[in-house]
Formats: sequence, structure tokens, C-alpha cells
Amino acid sequence: GQNIDQPTEMTATEGAIVQINCTYQTSGFNGLFWYQQHAGEAPTFLSYNVLDGLEEKGRFSSFLSRSKGYSYLLLKELQMKDSASYLCAVRAVPQRRSKLTFGGGTRVLVKP
Amino acid sequence: EPEVTQTPSHQVTQMGQEVILRCVPISNHLYFYWYRQILGQKVEFLVSFYNNEISEKSEIFDDQFSVERPDGSNFTLKIRSTKLEDSAMYFCASLPIRQEDTQYFGPGTRLTVL
Repeated sequence: GQNIDQPTEMTATEGAIVQINCTYQTSGFNGLFWYQQHAGEAPTFLSYNVLDGLEEKGRFSSFLSRSKGYSYLLLKELQMKDSASYLCAVRAVPQRRSKLTFGGGTRVLVKP
Repeated sequence: EPEVTQTPSHQVTQMGQEVILRCVPISNHLYFYWYRQILGQKVEFLVSFYNNEISEKSEIFDDQFSVERPDGSNFTLKIRSTKLEDSAMYFCASLPIRQEDTQYFGPGTRLTVL
């Protein structure tokens, strides 16, 4: 089976940094994705890691350790518009067209 | 920037009725997906579709569900006899045939079964 765990909710202050952790136990691994989802809207792609290490994209960075089954998403210089759910998703099968398996999402609330 | 589009944005139906949810994937994409998200729960995979046939389906995708690509642009999800528990947000996603690994999601159809 596939198991992907994230904290349910986090609160942070505008301008601060927040780190959202994701751990996974899956039958295989072929990439980890982070999506942002505002309430009632579609998930939008933030980042993708398939090799160990840090991927940086503006205010957002994502880290992967395959040996530990662990990833984090780092959000810097938080803005009010960053209040959203952040979804960790794993592609477990080694075909790029295969399905994504999602964690439950972490709701981030940014306070002034 | 090209987007996945879905219609309708909200569908209300009576239990036992058939519904068809429509999606127009991004034009140069060839892999298509349906996911659903019950309110407050995680996004769940339903089915993937490539080359006019189902590539993969989940245990949720039973005989009540079907998918079709009736023409070169639309991709549909049909639920034959809706149940209360089918109430959810249904997202269509698509993936290019090469170069990218990211599935792009549409805005979703909120299905409410009464």
C-alpha cells in the first residue's frame, strides 16, 4: 500500500518561513510533487523532486531524501496569499504517466 | 498559458441519475486523468487514459464509472447511477507526452448528489 503523511495544519506569520514535512512509504518511487490548493480550487503545481537534494524556485524550495522517504516544502517570506493547503504527492510507479498518490494536505494559515 | 478546462463548475443531481462531467485537456497533452476529492479529504485517483483506452484505474472506479474521449478535444467522466457518496469535487488532469512530468489540473466540477 501507499502511505503519505503530512501535518494537518500549520500557522505562521507574514514574512516568516514555514517548513511543511512529508513522509512517504510507497511500493516504489519515481518522483515527489508539491501542489498548492486554495479552498474550492484546483491543485496547482509548485515543485518536483526525483533526485535527492534541494530544488529552489523563488520563494519556494523543496527537498527530498529518498533513503529516508522524506521531503519538505519551504515557503519563505510568507505572504497572506500563501494561505492555502499544500499537497504532497508521490508517483510510485516508474512510468511518468502513472497516477499520483496524494497525502491529506497541510493547511497553512498566514497571519498578519 | 494553456489550461485544462472543465464543465460544469457545479452539478446538482438526484441520487440514481446519470451525470457526465466534461473536460478539455491542454491541446498537446496525450495522457488524461480523473481525480476526485470528497470535502475535507485527500485527492484520490480514479482513472488514467491514453491512446483511447484506460491505462490504470483505482478500486473506486467501478462499473458505475466510465470515461470517453468522444472527439479530439473532450474527455468525459460518466457516472451511471449516482450515489450520495459520489458527492465530491472531480478534477481532470493532463500530462504532455514528453519533457514534463507535471500533471496539470483543471478547476474541477463540484458534484452534489441529493
